[in-house]
Amino acid sequence: QQQVKQSPQSLIVQKGGISIINCAYENTAFDYFPWYQQFPGKGPALLIAIRPDVSEKKEGRFTISFNKSAKQFSLHIMDSQPGDSATYFCAAHNNRKLIWGLGTSLAVNP
Amino acid sequence: DAGITQSPRHKVTETGTPVTLRCHQTENHRYMYWYRQDPGHGLRLIHYSYGVKDTDKGEVSDGYSVSRSKTEDFLLTLESATSSQTSVYFCAISDSTSGSETQYFGPGTRLLVL
Repeated sequence: QQQVKQSPQSLIVQKGGISIINCAYENTAFDYFPWYQQFPGKGPALLIAIRPDVSEKKEGRFTISFNKSAKQFSLHIMDSQPGDSATYFCAAHNNRKLIWGLGTSLAVNP
Repeated sequence: DAGITQSPRHKVTETGTPVTLRCHQTENHRYMYWYRQDPGHGLRLIHYSYGVKDTDKGEVSDGYSVSRSKTEDFLLTLESATSSQTSVYFCAISDSTSGSETQYFGPGTRLLVL
């Protein structure tokens, strides 16, 4: 049972464009929603995170939009750069455990 | 990698042999996790620990056991390795005292079971 559904599976964006990755969840007990970035051969690293009492959080070029009523959240990468090419995972937290989306492979063309 | 090391980083083994992977942290974090990562499956939790000698199963625990005799070390054992356990294994840690749910990941162990 996939409790966190992530889309798209892969994404190609031109340099300077906006990358958008979406996640949807079912369990209303989730209380923390992080996004992780993973480069080939490395472990995932926290990129940005949000709690359900906030509708938007921005850190530099990265923004999380959160819609509690729709049980959806998304990652926006503004002015996408080739260095942003990586796999992105959304996750949802409950009871000290993270439930993960299946990941989105982002390629930013120069 | 937030003071987390994993050993070995790469291992090739044969079906039926036992394998132990080690995760070592220098952060004194209470929570430690073992995940496996496979194409098309994302990250799946194998086992986790919420303190010394306190462990619990994750979603894919069959064929795996863990032990945590010290805060800094969390061992994952494949009791009798199978080809389906070929994967990349990640250890993660989390600090409950700060109220943060953030998990920090190690560099991973790439395991090939022949």
